Amino acid sequence: EAGVTQFPSHSVIEKGQTVTLRCDPISGHDNLYWYRRVMGKEIKFLLHFVKESKQDESGMPNNRFLAERTGGTYSTLKVQPAELEDSGVYFCASSRARGREKDTQYFGPGTRLTVL
Amino acid sequence: SQQGEEDPQALSIQEGENATMNCSYKTSINNLQWYRQNSGRGLVHLILIRSNEREKHSGRLRVTLDTSKKSSSLLITASRAADTASYFCATDALPGRRALTFGSGTRLQVQP
Repeated sequence: EAGVTQFPSHSVIEKGQTVTLRCDPISGHDNLYWYRRVMGKEIKFLLHFVKESKQDESGMPNNRFLAERTGGTYSTLKVQPAELEDSGVYFCASSRARGREKDTQYFGPGTRLTVL
Repeated sequence: SQQGEEDPQALSIQEGENATMNCSYKTSINNLQWYRQNSGRGLVHLILIRSNEREKHSGRLRVTLDTSKKSSSLLITASRAADTASYFCATDALPGRRALTFGSGTRLQVQP
């Protein structure tokens, strides 16, 4: 079983530009989550999808961030326009909908975003 | 301290020794999970302990949970150089909210 994959692994952009991050969850996982770790701080929750629906987006920092999960498969996180404080590592995770393993979140390798 | 705060922040031991890391949290939880992150890589899930469990084992890992003290510990026995990594605890709060709250992590260095 393939794990959670994220693309790109690194992205360097200038302030004001747009960046789109992609996450492919483990096949069959209805739950998909985005987290981020900005420099020197804890890993913070951004939002949670159940299939294509946003279940919880309480962690989204502002309206420059837009997450989508069309069709309930992969997800994208767009930052537009990017600011310096958006630099950090963006993690995606997925989990099953039900069963004993439903609470276990499996994380991808992350996308390191650098905004110059 | 913050929700999911680990203690100590850094730990250096010799190969073969045991490593103990602690985590404290503030709100009632549904589950507590421990993750490992090797330098520059993603988070690897180690173990999940539910709020109605007190102890759990997985290989060389032993996790305890004390909900009355809102704390957990992760014990790695017979440590290896490959255990060098950062370790994080993460909690999901009642009732049924899936978002995980992470602590700042413990950086473990195992000297060969």
